Amino acid sequence: QVTLRESGPALVKPTQTLTLTCTFSGFSLSTSGMCVSWIRQPPGKALEWLALIDWDDDKYYSTSLKTRLTISKDTSKNQVVLTMTNMDPVDTATYYCARTPLDSSGYYYYHDYWGQGTLVTVSS
Amino acid sequence: SSELTQDPAVSVALGQTVRITCQGDSLRSYYASWYQQKPGQAPVLVIYGKNNRPSGIPDRFSGSSSGNTASLTITGAQAEDEADYYCNSRDSSGNPLFGGGTKLTVL
Repeated sequence: QVTLRESGPALVKPTQTLTLTCTFSGFSLSTSGMCVSWIRQPPGKALEWLALIDWDDDKYYSTSLKTRLTISKDTSKNQVVLTMTNMDPVDTATYYCARTPLDSSGYYYYHDYWGQGTLVTVSS
Repeated sequence: SSELTQDPAVSVALGQTVRITCQGDSLRSYYASWYQQKPGQAPVLVIYGKNNRPSGIPDRFSGSSSGNTASLTITGAQAEDEADYYCNSRDSSGNPLFGGGTKLTVL
């Protein structure tokens, strides 16, 4: 059974750094083709992909946010951590982590299991 | 361009067929995946790859693609299909990219 759970602060102040942890079970991030993504959704708005880390520890970031994001993994703990610097009220959103397999053809990703999300509010 | 464009809202009569579309240049090269999101819930994968349904997704959901357009078709829409639907593919850098979402209303 695959599960993911996001954890982190519900409230951060502007300019602070946000650290979110995704703790997962039911799969290994060491398996070839396996990845984990972070995705966010501001209230009432669309989903936005943020970052991805793959089985080989390669990391990929949203072009618009890459200067602020760092993704890392601890395979032994089954955790993926996302840090986002210089938080602003516009970063208020529900943050999701998702299991993101890369198809065996290497042709496409898909997000097949999601955590329940964690709402992060940025306010002074 | 690195955008995926969806109609903001679509409606369908109960039991009828509806097609939700997603347009973008990257769809000429990469398959789309589709996600259903109900209020207050995390998204759920409904279609991925050429036309694959995860376990538990009803067979009234199907996917197709032509040129720069990917489509999600619901054949015989049910009241429980009322939700937001998002497409996802890859941008020009090869990274995942979501469309703006379509709100489906079942009348």
